[in-house]
Amino acid sequence: EADIYQTPRYLVIGTGKKITLECSQTMGHDKMYWYQQDPGMELHLIHYSYGVNSTEKGDLSSESTVSRIRTEHFPLTLESARPSHTSQYLCASMGLSYEQYFGPGTRLTVT
Amino acid sequence: AQRVTQPEKLLSVFKGAPVELKCNYSYSGSPELFWYVQYSRQRLQLLLRHISRESIKGFTADLNKGETSFHLKKPFAQEEDSAMYYCALSSGGSNYKLTFGKGTLLTVNP
Repeated sequence: EADIYQTPRYLVIGTGKKITLECSQTMGHDKMYWYQQDPGMELHLIHYSYGVNSTEKGDLSSESTVSRIRTEHFPLTLESARPSHTSQYLCASMGLSYEQYFGPGTRLTVT
Repeated sequence: AQRVTQPEKLLSVFKGAPVELKCNYSYSGSPELFWYVQYSRQRLQLLLRHISRESIKGFTADLNKGETSFHLKKPFAQEEDSAMYYCALSSGGSNYKLTFGKGTLLTVNP
């Protein structure tokens, strides 16, 4: 079944650690996105990609980086996690009519 | 610049009452508009889009270009409608980013 997957779902990690949040989709979409969202709050676009080897920073400045080596895979990396990075991270892909489909999210806590 | 405004952060109604979640946008062209819903402990999911003019879970939304609004309506609210609702806009063309409103938390009381 076509879907969008994120791992891990929950992550608690100490300050200074390097982390990678995984996002994969089997929907065949070219366009993918990362959002940051505190629970019940607005979504902030932090990165997006329109295809392989194409990545752009979003509207909210983020210390994270992304890569897009394969169409279906769009990982997000934090080189040195800090408590201010504590949030929920949502991955999404876009269909043909500009609608976006979201993964279940990764809830990150940096202690 | 495009903008989406959801004026109500919180909305509380009783079961069986009509509900209307407001969404206003600013964009000079012809936008693509969407409503997303996020139930507790579930992922954000597409509820409906204006181009399909469909009714999902009893909800409808009509694009009013004159008032630049895309309000979400349901004649009889159910407790399971309690969720966070986000209005979103795409300018279409080669702009593949969605602009989201800040969301409205709907609570349907028994």
